[in-house]
Amino acid sequence: DAMVIQNPRYQVTQFGKPVTLSCSQTLNHNVMYWYQQKSSQAPKLLFHYYDKDFNNEADTPDNFQSRRPNTSFCFLDIRSPGLGDAAMYLCATADPRQLKTQYFGPGTRLLVL
Amino acid sequence: AQSVTQPDIHITVSEGASLELRCNYSYGATPYLFWYVQSPGQGLQLLLKYFSGDTLVQGIKGFEAEFKRSQSSFNLRKPSVHWSDAAEYFCAVQGGNKLVFGAGTILRVKS
Repeated sequence: DAMVIQNPRYQVTQFGKPVTLSCSQTLNHNVMYWYQQKSSQAPKLLFHYYDKDFNNEADTPDNFQSRRPNTSFCFLDIRSPGLGDAAMYLCATADPRQLKTQYFGPGTRLLVL
Repeated sequence: AQSVTQPDIHITVSEGASLELRCNYSYGATPYLFWYVQSPGQGLQLLLKYFSGDTLVQGIKGFEAEFKRSQSSFNLRKPSVHWSDAAEYFCAVQGGNKLVFGAGTILRVKS
């Protein structure tokens, strides 16, 4: 089945130690998104790619970076995780030709010690 | 700017009872509207969407939603709730390339 895959599902890192979360998709969608979702809150958009064009949200901290080496893969890099970065990170994809419906992966739960 | 309000943070219903989750949106143009469901520790699953046409849309798992432009609402309904429906439900409106989510409604199902 075509899908959005996130690895790992759970990630533990230490305060200040860089961490990378990965997302891959078999839907061949050209838009990919990263969201941060803290406990009992709605997902918050960090940034998105339209093909190779990177679009950062104005309030996304500089500590968060992203890479998209090809259509299928997108990475979220947190350069120096703080305790406040512990959250669920959701990847989503969309195809503008399909009226922009977003399809979400299962998420990566990040714990910062 | 677009916004979504889900007035109910928590709702508890008995198994087999009907359900309605409320959603109000603010958007200047014709909205693209979505309902997603999220089980604990999981990603968001699309239940249904509205773009145009028939204002009553059917989704997966027996859910439906009705778009009412005059009330700026897109309420989610299910005639008979099952224990497995316990989850958090998010209403969202699409603006440009972005989804704007409501704060979510947590559904509890009691037996």
